[in-house]
Amino acid sequence: QQKVQQSPESLSVPEGGMASLNCTSSDRNFQYFWWYRQHSGEGPKALMSIFSDGDKKEGRFTAHLNKASLHVSLHIRDSQPSDSALYFCAASESGYQNFYFGKGTSLTVIP
Amino acid sequence: DMKVTQMPRYLIKRMGENVLLECGQDMSHETMYWYRQDPGLGLQLIYISYDVDSNSEGDIPKGYRVSRKKREHFSLILDSAKTNQTSVYFCASTGTNSGNTLYFGEGSRLIVV
Repeated sequence: QQKVQQSPESLSVPEGGMASLNCTSSDRNFQYFWWYRQHSGEGPKALMSIFSDGDKKEGRFTAHLNKASLHVSLHIRDSQPSDSALYFCAASESGYQNFYFGKGTSLTVIP
Repeated sequence: DMKVTQMPRYLIKRMGENVLLECGQDMSHETMYWYRQDPGLGLQLIYISYDVDSNSEGDIPKGYRVSRKKREHFSLILDSAKTNQTSVYFCASTGTNSGNTLYFGEGSRLIVV
């Protein structure tokens, strides 16, 4: 059973638009969440982490966590073609050791 | 330099042959991982290593084994490769000095024919 579910599977937004990605966990033990981004032909790279309820903003990227509903989201404002990539949500009980990944959301930013 | 290096990057093997994928990191990370990535399936954990000679099975360990004799080096071994092991394999590492963020290598693409 997939412990981390992501939606949508794929998403297209115009350049300059807002992209919203969602992630839901089925395990209430998960307390720590990350977003990773993978460009084609490369390994995933950490985008941002969020461990507390509420919003966390880093530049054009804002993550939101609601532990009660086990939901985390990522919003990308002013999307750029370079943001086109596969985005993974990852969750962990302890913040280290075992990390569980969703299947990913493929984002395409159309110039 | 904060880098995870995987070798080889591309590999074609015949069914039944042995495969060795190697991974190194220069960050003194305690914990290292092997994942495989297949289209539509995301990243699946094969093995996790908590330190030298301290390895644990992940979600899909069947058909794989690992070796970690030095903290900076973690190997994935496929004894008698099968066609369903065709995939992209990623090594990752993390540690207390990196905020528990995973650092991934660039991947090793294995084709078993």
